[in-house]
Parts: sequence; structure tokens; C-alpha cells
Amino acid sequence: SAVISQKPSRDICQRGTSLTIQCQVDSQVTMMFWYRQQPGQSLTLIATANQGSEATYESGFVIDKFPISRPNLTFSTLTVSNMSPEDSSIYLCSVELSAGTNEKLFFGSGTQLSVL
Amino acid sequence: RKEVEQDPGPFNVPEGATVAFNCTYSNSASQSFFWYRQDCRKEPKLLMSVYSSGNEDGRFTAQLNRASQYISLLIRDSKLSDSATYLCVVNRGGYSTLTFGKGTMLLVSP
Repeated sequence: SAVISQKPSRDICQRGTSLTIQCQVDSQVTMMFWYRQQPGQSLTLIATANQGSEATYESGFVIDKFPISRPNLTFSTLTVSNMSPEDSSIYLCSVELSAGTNEKLFFGSGTQLSVL
Repeated sequence: RKEVEQDPGPFNVPEGATVAFNCTYSNSASQSFFWYRQDCRKEPKLLMSVYSSGNEDGRFTAQLNRASQYISLLIRDSKLSDSATYLCVVNRGGYSTLTFGKGTMLLVSP
């Protein structure tokens, strides 16, 4: 497994502001992902954070709303921009530690975001 | 039909009981399957992978039925510490494209 440090662990933000979440891994990993888990819902993949290139976004998520940085193989950030109450959710960073068909994801401890 | 479906529960069982969860998936091309455990307000953690031949890890047994497109998790001799939400996770066929179920909540009581 890997040690994944995610911060902040929680935040309460005002509508219209932006929040940047950081994810630090203790080893180099190829694949890093950002997920969202809304109350009572399943985890939903926001995007794959690609090192050295633009992130790959899933349907329903766009770069202007969720810009992502991946400057190296151990670090990524997710920004939630121009927040609204609908963005209140848990945001999770995750990494994949094995390639091929036996992907195993490990998660950071999550960021619980509340937007007022 | 949802990609991954689970009974949300909660399943209320006494300590020592045996409990089983099922999960169905819609994509017949799915290649790999997992059970994750998520405690309240915590991140999901990998519990076990699910192999075609079925696999066991202590009190936990996972099975896959490709023909019927479902996977199961059996927990024997339930402990209080088993109380959590169990997430069914399916690789829907692409590289690193896992789909999560909403989870089944288990509550083990004394």
C-alpha cells in the first residue's frame, strides 16, 4: 500500500469561492485519480490526474470547474472553483498501485467540503 | 439498469452471525471485482479482490458468478468491528475505470 496524505481534511466555504485540495503520496505512482462522494451516493470519478499533461475528465466534469494539477509522480491538486452548495461533498484522492486488470485503488482520507 | 447495484441495507445482525451481501453488475465485459469497506466518515479501504474461483480471507469469503453477473461477500462470525458500509467495485472494462456501488451498510450488535 501507499501512504496518501490529503489536506485539508474538511472545510466550510462560502458560495462563489474556490478551494484547492492537495494530495501527497509517499512513493511515485503512475495513476492518480480524484473522486467525489456525495451524501448517500456512490463514489464518482471526477478525473484522472496525468503527470505532465492535462487531466482526463469524466462525463459531467469540466476543467474550468475542477482544475487539476499533477506536477510530478507524487503530488496532485484538485480545485473546486466558484463553489455552490451543490458542491458539498467528500472529495477523495486515490492512487493505483498495480497495472493491468487487477487495479487496486488506495484512497486518501478525504476532504469533507461544506459550501454555505 | 445501474452499472453496479447493491442492497443499501442496513443489515442488522448480532455478534457471531453469518451475513451475506450480493452485488449485481450490468457490464458483461467487466474484468475485475473488489469489495471495499468504508467506515463512517472515512475513506474506502480495500477489503479483498474477488476471483473467478472464489477466495477466502479469514472470516470473509468472496465469490463471483459471471453467468448471472453478481458477486457476493460472506462474513462469518460477525464482530462489532465489522460494522461498516461495504462497497462493491467493478472494473467496467477500461484501464483504471472502476465503478462503485452505493454500498451495503452492516450493523453488528452485541
